Amino acid sequence: TQLLEQSPQFLSIQEGENLTVYCNSSSVFSSLQWYRQEPGEGPVLLVTVVTGGEVKKLKRLTFQFGDARKDSSLHITAAQPGDTGLYLCAGVGTSGTYKYIFGTGTRLKVLA
Amino acid sequence: NAGVTQTPKFRILKIGQSMTLQCTQDMNHNYMYWYRQDPGMGLKLIYYSVGAGITDKGEVPNGYNVSRSTTEDFPLRLELAAPSQTSVYFCASSQGLASKTWETQYFGPGTRLLVL
Repeated sequence: TQLLEQSPQFLSIQEGENLTVYCNSSSVFSSLQWYRQEPGEGPVLLVTVVTGGEVKKLKRLTFQFGDARKDSSLHITAAQPGDTGLYLCAGVGTSGTYKYIFGTGTRLKVLA
Repeated sequence: NAGVTQTPKFRILKIGQSMTLQCTQDMNHNYMYWYRQDPGMGLKLIYYSVGAGITDKGEVPNGYNVSRSTTEDFPLRLELAAPSQTSVYFCASSQGLASKTWETQYFGPGTRLLVL
C-alpha cells in the first residue's frame, strides 16, 4: 500500500514568515500534485510535478519533486492570510492515472 | 459551467438507514471518483470509474456501492449506515485521456454526512 506522510500536520505563523511543508513516501510516484482546500470546499489543484528533481514556481509558492520521485516539498515565501487552508499532496502511482493517493494534509493558518 | 455538483450538502442518518449521494459533472469527463475525508485528514478513495458501466474499488470500499450508467452521473450508495461512515464525501472527475500520465481532478463541494 502506498502512503504519503505530510509534515507538519499543523502550522500557525505570522504574516510575512516563510514556511515549508513536506510530503514523504517510501514508494515511487509517476507524478505528484499539490492541492489547497478551503473550509467547506473541495480541493483545488495548485501544481503537478512529474520529473525527479523538478522545481516549479507559482508566485510565492515553490514546489519541488525529489530526485527519486518519492517525496516533494512546498515552500511559501512571505506568507499571507490568504494562504490559510489545508494543503494536500497527492501521488499518482506507477500503475495508472486513476488511483490517486492523498497525503495526510497540513493545516496552515497565517495570522495578520 | 457548473463543473461537479453534489447533493445533498448535509444529511443526518440514523444507524441502519440507507441513502444515495448524488454526483453530476458537465465536463464530459471519463473518470469519476468518490473520496471520503475524515476530520483534519486527507482524502481516501472509495470507488472510481473510468467510464460508463465500469467501476472499481478504491482503498475503503466496504459499506458503499456505486454505479455509472451515464458519463455525467456517479451516485454513491450507503446501504446500512454506520457511525464510522460519518465523514465528508467528495466527488471528483478528470478527463481520462490514456495518453496522459497525470490529470487535474475537479472536485465537487462535498456532502457532509452524520450518522447517529
